[in-house]
Amino acid sequence: GENVEQHPSTLSVQEGDSAVIKCTYSDSASNYFPWYKQELGKGPQLIIDIRSNVGEKKDQRIAVTLNKTAKHFSLHITETQPEDSAVYFCAARRTSYDKVIFGPGTSLSVIP
Amino acid sequence: EAGVAQSPRYKIIEKRQSVAFWCNPISGHATLYWYQQILGQGPKLLIQFQNNGVVDDSQLPKDRFSAERLKGVDSTLKIQPAKLEDSAVYLCASSPSADRGSAFGAGSRLTVL
Repeated sequence: GENVEQHPSTLSVQEGDSAVIKCTYSDSASNYFPWYKQELGKGPQLIIDIRSNVGEKKDQRIAVTLNKTAKHFSLHITETQPEDSAVYFCAARRTSYDKVIFGPGTSLSVIP
Repeated sequence: EAGVAQSPRYKIIEKRQSVAFWCNPISGHATLYWYQQILGQGPKLLIQFQNNGVVDDSQLPKDRFSAERLKGVDSTLKIQPAKLEDSAVYLCASSPSADRGSAFGAGSRLTVL
């Protein structure tokens, strides 16, 4: 089955710097890759997603890139702010009716 | 738009006892999911409903876990009897359709002593 790995497990950046989180997946048939942000005591929140027919997607300070050949995708956060501090999860899914497989998470700390 | 509602937020029980969690998805969302999130890990899907039918329950420990979604709206997840390793946050999520991203509730934290 699908396996999603995520690096780094923890990441600290200075406010205003950029943060990059990388994920790899094992199933070449996966075609949907969402990213979730989870703040302490809350459920995960979908922040951006990308499908396999697109190489890059951007939404304000957040961007995701996908390399299907290498089977990896990355989350880029620019101009980080303290409120970006949270655990970020990448995920992958094959078809609409396959389960979403989550990575282990990256704890991001933005230092003011 | 109201979010996904879950209750209770916290539950402490002893092993071999039973517990039930309730979820009310976003209005109109046909797809509903129950996830188990163990501390320090990503969510793991337990069961997926499409309206009131089960799409995937391959990772649900059916000897002790059960879930239902009557009338295709609210859902309940039950554990009986609970084991120590069931200590986790149980997250409910919903989506307009299976090919869209999900909205998650705040979760129900279960501690089994």
